[in-house]
Amino acid sequence: EVQLVESGGGSVQPGGSLRLSCVGSGFAFNNYGMHWVRQAPGKGLVWVSHSRHDGTITKYADSVEGRFTISRDNAKNTLYLQMNSLRVEDTAVYYCTRGAGYNLGYWGQGTLVTVSS
Amino acid sequence: QSALTQPASVSGSPGQSITISCTGSSSEVGGNKYVSWYQQHPGTAPKLIIYDVSNRPSGVSDRFSGSKSGNTASLTISGLQAEDEGDYYCCSYTSTTIYVFGTGTKVIVL
Repeated sequence: EVQLVESGGGSVQPGGSLRLSCVGSGFAFNNYGMHWVRQAPGKGLVWVSHSRHDGTITKYADSVEGRFTISRDNAKNTLYLQMNSLRVEDTAVYYCTRGAGYNLGYWGQGTLVTVSS
Repeated sequence: QSALTQPASVSGSPGQSITISCTGSSSEVGGNKYVSWYQQHPGTAPKLIIYDVSNRPSGVSDRFSGSKSGNTASLTISGLQAEDEGDYYCCSYTSTTIYVFGTGTKVIVL
């Protein structure tokens, strides 16, 4: 059974940093591209970032480019999202998702990030 | 990277069919076959229900179907059931090799 478990969310002040983690199990983690998607409270889904299966190619939404960094440790079956210079508008539930072709086939339960002074 | 346009809500009675539209441009929806749809119930993670415009993952009811014409993709739910109530999002791969979601549609079963 495919499982994705996010952690690392919490409360932080504007300008601060957080690192999210996502541990995958039940599949060959190093064979799949992985994504981060976020959802602000009461709002819609927003794609944030993608890492190719080997981590050599990464992509970002304009809204986080230069502030967020996606990375992965395939030996630990873990995906990361380093978030710096956080803004109030980054407040959201962050989902880790497993890519399959050009879609997001499996989702974790999400981790809440709150940016507030 | 503007969100794809979906109607805010669509409603129908049990047993009826409803269709949700997802409108973009030739840079995403109209430019490739990589449109997917996700169902989300309150307080839970989204679930993939349609991929590559019209394909259903294993285990997804055949009451869900997808199609595309030009820059608009559509999700049809036939034989509407109470359990179909929730939020639905389209998503498309784009010409700049990133992804964009739709604005989301709340399905209401009357």
